[in-house]
Amino acid sequence: NAGVTQTPKFQVLKTGQSMTLQCAQDMNHNSMYWYRQDPGMGLRLIYYSASEGTTDKGEVPNGYNVSRLNKREFSLRLESAAPSQTSVYFCASSGQGVKTQYFGPGTRLLVL
Amino acid sequence: GENVEQHPSTLSVQEGDSAVIKCTYSDSASNYFPWYKQELGKRPQLIIDIRSNVGEKKDQRIAVTLNKTAKHFSLHITETQPEDSAVYFCAASIYAGGTSYGKLTFGQGTILTVHP
Repeated sequence: NAGVTQTPKFQVLKTGQSMTLQCAQDMNHNSMYWYRQDPGMGLRLIYYSASEGTTDKGEVPNGYNVSRLNKREFSLRLESAAPSQTSVYFCASSGQGVKTQYFGPGTRLLVL
Repeated sequence: GENVEQHPSTLSVQEGDSAVIKCTYSDSASNYFPWYKQELGKRPQLIIDIRSNVGEKKDQRIAVTLNKTAKHFSLHITETQPEDSAVYFCAASIYAGGTSYGKLTFGQGTILTVHP
C-alpha cells in the first residue's frame, strides 16, 4: 500500500496562474481532507470530503476549489494563485468510523 | 467553531529530561484529542490519542492527560532522546463514532529540540 500520495512535490507559480494539486489514497477511506501549513499557524483545514460525492468548506477555503473525483482521489485547485497561497499543502484521509487521519507527503508551493 | 491553543511554541531540553506540551480547547463537545509528530520535511504522523472518557493514556515513553473540566490536555515525553526532536501538534475533534468522520482543529505546534 502506498497510503496517501500527492503530486507534485514542488511547484513554483507566478501570480495569477492556476494549478491543481492531486491526492490519492489506496486505503479505501471514505473521508479526505486538504490542509495548508504555514510557520506558526499549525495545520489549517481548507476543504474536506466526508464521503464520495460530498465536499465542504473548512477554516480557510477562499481562493481554492476541490473535486472528489472518486473514492480514491481528491484534488485541490487554485484558479488564480496569489503570493498569500505560498505554503505547504497536505492531503489526508480517514476511514469510516476511524478517527486517525493519515497524511500525504505534502506539496511545497511557491507563488511569486 | 473550535479553537485550540498550544504552548509552548518552542521547547528545548537535555537528553534524558522530560518534556511537557499543553493544549487548551474551546468547544466542550470535543471528545477526541490526537497528537501528531512531524519531523523536518516530513508528513505529520499520529503518535498517541485520547478520548474524553479516559483521563490518561500511556504508550512507552509518551503519555497524554486530559482534564475535561478545565478543557485542557497535555503530552508528556519522558527520558527524551535526540530522535524525539520534531514539531508536535495537538488537535481536537468531535467524534460521533459509527459512520461519522473526524474534522480536526490543530494547535499551532511546538518545536521540541532534545540536546545530546
